[in-house]
Amino acid sequence: EVQLVESGGGLIQPGGSLRLSCAASGFTVSSNYMSWVRQAPGKGLEWVSVIYSDGRTYYADSVEGRFSISRDISENTLYLQMNSLRVEDTAVFYCAGDVGGYWGYWGQGTLVTVSS
Amino acid sequence: EIVMTQSPATLSVSPGDRATLSCRASQGVSNNLAWYQQKPGQAPRLLIYGASTRATGIPARFSGSGSGTEFTLTISSLQSEDFAVYYCQQYNYWWTFGQGTKVEIK
Repeated sequence: EVQLVESGGGLIQPGGSLRLSCAASGFTVSSNYMSWVRQAPGKGLEWVSVIYSDGRTYYADSVEGRFSISRDISENTLYLQMNSLRVEDTAVFYCAGDVGGYWGYWGQGTLVTVSS
Repeated sequence: EIVMTQSPATLSVSPGDRATLSCRASQGVSNNLAWYQQKPGQAPRLLIYGASTRATGIPARFSGSGSGTEFTLTISSLQSEDFAVYYCQQYNYWWTFGQGTKVEIK
């Protein structure tokens, strides 16, 4: 059974930094495309970042230069380093496992609240 | 950016009735279109990929159709557990979602 478990969310002041983690079991992070997707309160879904199996990384324009996606192969864990956080980054962040361009596996999400 | 537009925003349906949800892409996405279901407090769940292929474990009452720019998700006979928000997503060029259709009990 595939499980993706996010952690690291919380309340942070504008301008602060936070690192999210996504621990995977039953699914190899390094062999698949892995993405972060966010959902602002009461809003829809927004793709944030992806790391390909070959290590290439890409970001949505809204987070380019502020967020960084990475993975730890030995821990089978995905990360999202978020710097210079803004109020508008407040959202539930999900990690998602790509199974063919689309996302067949999702974590339960972790809430990031950016507020003073 | 490919903009995905879903209609209607809210669909009021009685249990046992058919529900038809629409999704339009601002440019052609071939059949690189997925549908997700999301219930309150839960992560999205993959229903359909490739515009018309049901994901593992998805009941046959869910069906998808379309190609290019126009897509449809049909739920043939709504069950109580089907009341939720549904999102379409294109994965032809990066990934973008529609704004969602909420299926509520009439």
